[in-house]
Amino acid sequence: DTAVSQTPKYLVTQMGNDKSIKCEQNLGHDTMYWYKQDSKKFLKIMFSYNNKELIINETVPNRFSPKSPDKAHLNLHINSLELGDSAVYFCASSQVRAEFTNEQFFGPGTRLTVL
Amino acid sequence: AQKITQTQPGMFVQEKEAVTLDCTYDTSDPSYGLFWYKQPSSGEMIFLIYQGSYDQQNATEGRYSLNFQKARKSANLVISASQLGDSAMYFCAMISRGGANSKLTFGKGITLSVRP
Repeated sequence: DTAVSQTPKYLVTQMGNDKSIKCEQNLGHDTMYWYKQDSKKFLKIMFSYNNKELIINETVPNRFSPKSPDKAHLNLHINSLELGDSAVYFCASSQVRAEFTNEQFFGPGTRLTVL
Repeated sequence: AQKITQTQPGMFVQEKEAVTLDCTYDTSDPSYGLFWYKQPSSGEMIFLIYQGSYDQQNATEGRYSLNFQKARKSANLVISASQLGDSAMYFCAMISRGGANSKLTFGKGITLSVRP
C-alpha cells in the first residue's frame, strides 16, 4: 500500500492555466510538505503544514496556494501557470518530534510541464 | 541559515566495490539531523540513513554507513559492495530545527553510476 500518494503523476498544461496537485498520506503523520525539484535536480521546500496549520512558507509566489482539508491531505493549487513552474513537485510527510529524527517520506512526485 | 554542499562530479564505481559520497554542511544550530536520500531514474525519493548531531556512533543501515565527522562538518555516505541498482542520484540533507518548524535543506546531489 502506498504510504504517500500524489495525483496526477504527470501534468502537461498551457501557460496561464490553473491546476491542482493532490497528495494523501496513510501513515498517520501530522506534518506534510511540498518540495519543488527544478531542472537541475535541486530540491527546495515550498510549504509545510502541521495538523492542517501552515507552518513554513518559503517565499513562494502567491500563485501557489496549498490547502490541507485534514492532516492526511495536502493539495497544491497553482494559478496562472508560468513556464518557470515546470518542475517535479514532491509531497512528503513526517511525524514531527522535538528531536530531529523525523524522517520524511516522499510521494512519487508530479512532473509538471508548462507549455 | 543551513547549507549543504555536495561538490563531487558524477561518480563511478565498479560493481562490488565500496564508494564514498561526500557531504559537508554548515549550520549555526547546536543540534541537527543529517539524512541521505537516493533518487533513482524512476524519480522517487528513498530515505537511506539518518545521523543525529549528538549521536556517539556513526549510523549504519545495511550496506550504507555514514562517516560523520562533526568537527569537520562532514557527513559522507559510504556504500559497500556496490550493486547495479545503486546507480542513482544521492542527496544529502539536513534538519536543524525540531518540532513543527523542521524542514529538509538539500544539497545539489551526486550522480553515482555503478559499472558491471
